[in-house]
Formats: sequence, structure tokens, C-alpha cells
Amino acid sequence: DGGITQSPKYLFRKEGQNVTLSCEQNLNHDAMYWYRQDPGQGLRLIYYSQIVNDFQKGDIAEGYSVSREKKESFPLTVTSAQKNPTAFYLCASSTRIFKNIQYFGAGTRLSVL
Amino acid sequence: RKEVEQDPGPFNVPEGATVAFNCTYSNSASQSFFWYRQDCRKEPKLLMSVYSSGNEDGRFTAQLNRASQYISLLIRDSKLSDSATYLCVVNNPGTYKYIFGTGTRLKVLA
Repeated sequence: DGGITQSPKYLFRKEGQNVTLSCEQNLNHDAMYWYRQDPGQGLRLIYYSQIVNDFQKGDIAEGYSVSREKKESFPLTVTSAQKNPTAFYLCASSTRIFKNIQYFGAGTRLSVL
Repeated sequence: RKEVEQDPGPFNVPEGATVAFNCTYSNSASQSFFWYRQDCRKEPKLLMSVYSSGNEDGRFTAQLNRASQYISLLIRDSKLSDSATYLCVVNNPGTYKYIFGTGTRLKVLA
């Protein structure tokens, strides 16, 4: 089955700890994205990548880092500099064709201990 | 002004009712438009793309009004299972960046 896999589904972070959220896609999509969603809020873009070894900051990149070493993988690290990390994190991907429809993974719910 | 704006609702409607949502966008150059559905604590899922000529998929109809810069979603014969948050999404030309509205919450009541 083609799709986007995010892991883990739930993650707990201690104060001062960096944590990494995994996102893997087998859709052969060029572009990948990370969003954050807070309760009752819309999706806010953290980082996006249009191609391997290239990525751009979104609207709320502070306290986060990413890498894009492989086309199918786009991990997100939530660093200790992110003071309010509790949120629902969604990874997505899209292709240049088919009107750029964006597909989402099932998300990771991050909480602070 | 927000780039994409939606009425947050909730819209509480009885089963079988027809309900319509609008979404306004600020960039007149926007070219790709979508409606996504998001269930509580789940990921957004594509409901339908919105084409210039309008499009229909079963009980769902999407329309684009470029002159007034809004898109709409009409749901006919509402089902209990239609209860969800509906997200409006806009993608501007020459960019991979998607702009999400905050969503309109629909509750269909028995």
C-alpha cells in the first residue's frame, strides 16, 4: 500500500530533550511538509522540502530542524529551544502533477512530561 | 487579513439537511483549491479539489468564484457521518506552499 507513515503515534518529551519524529513516504513524491496543529487551531507550516537535500522554513520554524537526505524520508527534530512543543504534528507530501494534491500521514501527538 | 478565512462554526444541522460553507482567499493569483475533511484527532483527508467550472461528487458540490475570491462546499442530504471539520486549502502558483483555513466544524444531529 502506498502512503505516508509517521512514527511514533504518541511521544513524550522531557524538559531540555530533543526528540525526532519520523516521516516516510512511498508515493515517490518530490515535496514533503511538516505542520503543527494545536487544539482548535488550523495547520501551521513548520518546514517544507521540494527536493532532496533542500528545505525551506515555514511560518513557525523556530525550535525545529529537519533533514532531507532521501526522497522518501523527512524527519523532524523538536529541539529543547521549542518551549511549547505540545501539539499534533502532521507530515504531508505532494507531487508536481495531479494538481498538487497533498496527502497526510496519521500524525504524531507530542506531549511534554 | 488572513490569507484564507473560514467561519469556524459549529454548524449544527439535522440529518437530511443541506448545508453550505464558504471560504475566502486573499491572493487573486491563487490557482489550486481544495476541501479537506478532518475528523477529531485524525489527519486531514482530501474531500475534493475545486475546479473553475465547479465539480460534484455524490452529495458534495464545490464551486469557485474568482471574482469574489471564495470557494464553497455544499453538502446535500447530510448524514451523521458527515460530522467533522472541513478545511479549505489554497495553493498559489509557482510554490509548493499550501495555505490552510482554520476549518469549519459541522455537527449533523439525529
